Amino acid sequence: AQSVSQHNHHVILSEAASLELGCNYSYGGTVNLFWYVQYPGQHLQLLLKYFSGDPLVKGIKGFEAEFIKSKFSFNLRKPSVQWSDTAEYFCAGETDKLIFGTGTRLQVFP
Amino acid sequence: DAGVTQSPTHLIKTRGQHVTLRCSPISGHKSVSWYQQVLGQGPQFIFQYYEKEERGRGNFPDRFSARQFPNYSSELNVNALLLGDSALYLCASSLEASHEQFFGPGTRLTVL
Repeated sequence: AQSVSQHNHHVILSEAASLELGCNYSYGGTVNLFWYVQYPGQHLQLLLKYFSGDPLVKGIKGFEAEFIKSKFSFNLRKPSVQWSDTAEYFCAGETDKLIFGTGTRLQVFP
Repeated sequence: DAGVTQSPTHLIKTRGQHVTLRCSPISGHKSVSWYQQVLGQGPQFIFQYYEKEERGRGNFPDRFSARQFPNYSSELNVNALLLGDSALYLCASSLEASHEQFFGPGTRLTVL
């Protein structure tokens, strides 16, 4: 069955620390991959997406993700987090429908 | 430009009642999808509609139904509400069925 799993449920960092959030997917065939962010009190927003081509994808606000087909992974990274990055982050995969992971809550302290 | 809008913002119902949630897509978007987000979980796919036809259905009981109107707005209906239906219901629209989805703010449904 198609699924997306996020290993980190809750991550706490200090400002300027580096971030990596794990995401693994189980799909056969071609899959589109996404990272969405949900800031407190706001709706889901797209951070970045991978359809094909360069496996290193750059998104908004300095985020990037790398698609590693051999590892079925699409981890999200940011070299230096800010307090304003505090939010819930969702990885999602799509073939015929969009399937989300359970989310990672990121808290960044000044 | 307005984003995806949903109404109502919040709703409180009792078990056994029926509820209708509404969604207006971004202007020009022809596809609307519905998701259920239970607290502490990621959104779960319920339905996708494209050009007024159901294009996909998630693993939800027949109590859940939806439709899309000629102006591409959509309604999600849930009959015989259960306590477990309490959740944030999200609507997302996209230009075509397989394009990037833009999410609305959601409707918070509480079933007592």
